Amino acid sequence: GAVVSQHPSRVICKSGTSVKIECRSLDFQATTMFWYRQFPKQSLMLMATSNEGSKATYEQGVEKDKFLINHASLTLSTLTVTSAHPEDSSFYICSVRGNGHTDTQYFGPGTRLTVL
Amino acid sequence: AQSVTQPDIHITVSEGASLELRCNYSYGATPYLFWYVQSPGQGLQLLLKYFSGDTLVQGIKGFEAEFKRSQSSFNLRKPSVHWSDAAEYFCAVGANSNSGYALNFGKGTSLLVTP
Repeated sequence: GAVVSQHPSRVICKSGTSVKIECRSLDFQATTMFWYRQFPKQSLMLMATSNEGSKATYEQGVEKDKFLINHASLTLSTLTVTSAHPEDSSFYICSVRGNGHTDTQYFGPGTRLTVL
Repeated sequence: AQSVTQPDIHITVSEGASLELRCNYSYGATPYLFWYVQSPGQGLQLLLKYFSGDTLVQGIKGFEAEFKRSQSSFNLRKPSVHWSDAAEYFCAVGANSNSGYALNFGKGTSLLVTP
């Protein structure tokens, strides 16, 4: 399967600041990446689908102006949480979709965001 | 709309005992089904997947799952649990397409393994 990395693994920021999270596909060119959010003891909730070279598709209820996604290359997608607030504190996980017809997704290790 | 139900929030199993984690799905067509495992503070690791063919699927770490269309189920099993299997397990369903639809996850089952 694909190897996916995320950076940083943990970040603590002050309320009102912006935080950028990187998702890299290390051995695979991913035209599609996904961003999920996971609250403690909860399941993963899809935030958006990131398509290389085009605008991301956001799920209902996810503010596109708050969660900026840039998929500028086949190996890198970034999620920027703008003007972060304590309620944005969560575990953010990205995934890449495998080639062909498999629809298998390979997940990054996640980024723990804490907003003070 | 597709959905996934994992009826058991927590399961406790003795080391060496067998394990079955339940998963039921709701989807109009033949689904793509997955089981992932997540250790604390970690991302998700794919255990196994079902797309078509043999309804009994073998995965990594000694896990297997059986797709039963009549019951809309895709239960995960392991004959002998190891302490290192303690983790959160997620069942997920994907759309039957090539467009890369994201997965719809169940709420997860937390597995505790006792000595």
